[in-house]
This record gives sequence, structure tokens and C-alpha cells, in this order.
Amino acid sequence: QKEVEQDPGPLSVPEGAIVSLNCTYSNSAFQYFMWYRQYSRKGPELLMYTYSSGNKEDGRFTAQVDKSSKYISLFIRDSQPSDSATYLCAMSWMDSSYKLIFGSGTRLLVRP
Amino acid sequence: GAVVSQHPSRVICKSGTSVKIECRSLDFQATTMFWYRQFPKQSLMLMATSNEGSKATYEQGVEKDKFLINHASLTLSTLTVTSAHPEDSSFYICSAKRALGQGNTEAFFGQGTRLTVV
Repeated sequence: QKEVEQDPGPLSVPEGAIVSLNCTYSNSAFQYFMWYRQYSRKGPELLMYTYSSGNKEDGRFTAQVDKSSKYISLFIRDSQPSDSATYLCAMSWMDSSYKLIFGSGTRLLVRP
Repeated sequence: GAVVSQHPSRVICKSGTSVKIECRSLDFQATTMFWYRQFPKQSLMLMATSNEGSKATYEQGVEKDKFLINHASLTLSTLTVTSAHPEDSSFYICSAKRALGQGNTEAFFGQGTRLTVV
């Protein structure tokens, strides 16, 4: 079993739709949770960073963490074609190493 | 946000030769940098953690003699793929850890290097 599971997609939605991306994890020691966006042949770009359970909102993006269920989500409101990319969840322990464990990524396509 | 520059963005080399990839933190000092490898349509796999002034820590299954990492300064880490073979062809990405204060840190990623070994 992988430490972090993420549906690879692809996920295709019409422009303006609400997108829900999810990851599950098995290691309860993970304390930091991140969502990255990666365009083709580019490095990942940090979108959201959360520490505690609950919701965190930033513009059209909302990150949700449920530590009791070991489940995290990223919601994208009013999705745009420019949101088409691969979205990677990543997790880390509460130590100084800051090693990130990534999910496999979900490919998102927002159709005009 | 902070900038991490990776060079080259793309390289093609002959089998048996060595290739060096550079990762620079442009506007902050990074005591720790990470090197990842990504195959097509797959996630990033951590190869090694690079600490300034000390030996890199390699993940299980990564050959340290094949993937040489040097972190000689607070702004530069290099990855050298020695005696490259076609199976080493991949997308290599570095990241640099930056302390944000109040106990928070963030990892900034370079733009990646596409290595093709022919």
C-alpha cells in the first residue's frame, strides 16, 4: 500500500464547474499537507499549505484536511481552462527534514 | 515567492557520459535541498536530501555512486548523473527548503531538467 493514494484521473470538467480533488494517506504521523499544481514539463508550484484539520481558503481554492479519516481535499471554484494541469498532494512529518511524500497526481482538464 | 532556478532545462547526452544539473536558490539561503525524479505521468520520487556542507542522504534504492550530489554553498546544489544510461532518462526536479519564520517552512521547486540519454 502506498503511503499516499491519489486518483490519477484524468478529470474532465466544463469551465465554471467546482472541482474536487482528493488524497488519502495511511501514515497518521503526517502533519503538514500541501497541494501543488504542475503544468506539463514544469516544476510543481505550491498552491495551498495546511497544518491542522479543517478548511483553509485562498481565492478560488479551498483545502480541507480530515486527520481522523486521513483524507485531504482541494476544491477549485469557478474552474478555468488555465486550471488544466496535474494536481499533486504532498505530505510531511513534523520534523526538520521537511521530506515531502507526494501522491501520484490527478490530471485535470477544464473544457472551455 | 522565492525563486529556485534549475539548469539546464533540457539535456541530451550519449550513453556512458556524465551530466551535471544545477539547482540554485536565487533570493534565499537554502541549507537543505531535495532532488526528485519523475517518470511520465507519475509522481515525484525523492532521490536524496542535500545538506549544505555535509554528505547527502539518499533514499533506499538510489545509487549514491551513480547520482552524485554536492551542496557546496547555501545557494547551490548539483546533481551529477554518472555513466548515464537510457534508463536514467527522466525528469529531474530540485527543491529548496526555506524557513518562513514562526516555525513554518516551505519548499520551492525548480523548473525541472528533462534528461534524455541516447
